Amino acid sequence: DAGVIQSPRHEVTEMGQEVTLRCKPISGHNSLFWYRQTMMRGLELLIYFNNNVPIDDSGMPEDRFSAKMPNASFSTLKIQPSEPRDSAVYFCASSFDGGDQPQHFGDGTRLSIL
Amino acid sequence: SQKIEQNSEALNIQEGKTATLTCNYTNYSPAYLQWYRQDPGRGPVFLLLIRENEKEKRKERLKVTFDTTLKQSLFHITASQPADSATYLCAPITGGGNKLTFGTGTQLKVEL
Repeated sequence: DAGVIQSPRHEVTEMGQEVTLRCKPISGHNSLFWYRQTMMRGLELLIYFNNNVPIDDSGMPEDRFSAKMPNASFSTLKIQPSEPRDSAVYFCASSFDGGDQPQHFGDGTRLSIL
Repeated sequence: SQKIEQNSEALNIQEGKTATLTCNYTNYSPAYLQWYRQDPGRGPVFLLLIRENEKEKRKERLKVTFDTTLKQSLFHITASQPADSATYLCAPITGGGNKLTFGTGTQLKVEL
């Protein structure tokens, strides 16, 4: 079975550009999560969706970040305009609903903002 | 504020020994605690979940304990192998939701 699929795997762009990260969750999962991982701050939850509806976006750093889930099989995380401090690995994960459900992670997008 | 602490120093052990990793949390009352493994360049992979009313959970060479009085979970790998070398992350979850907050992780290196 296909796992969580993220694209692109690597993105290098210049400061000020718009960046769009994409995620396809595991079919049947109804919760989707976006995380950011850096050496300094570890793995942080940015936002999560349940049944395509954003439930908690308290981790989104600022208005430059936005996330959408137009349907059950696709989500995007957008940064506009991007800044060097946004450089990190961004992970998408999906699961069934519930705190006792394991989350399945994609292999991430390594983002470098020059 | 809520805080999750894992051994910040890397743990180096010899093959065949038991590795023990610690996860301490404060200002939390988790209903569950999950453990994940992360290899370089990959996303975390789920290993085990333990519930607040369970003292211990086992899966093959892995064992997790959960002490809600000490606010601590221990993760053990018995008969460790070089292939167990990775970073291990704990994530307590409060009841009523599926929002995970991860610890910073402990890097384990198993040497021949």
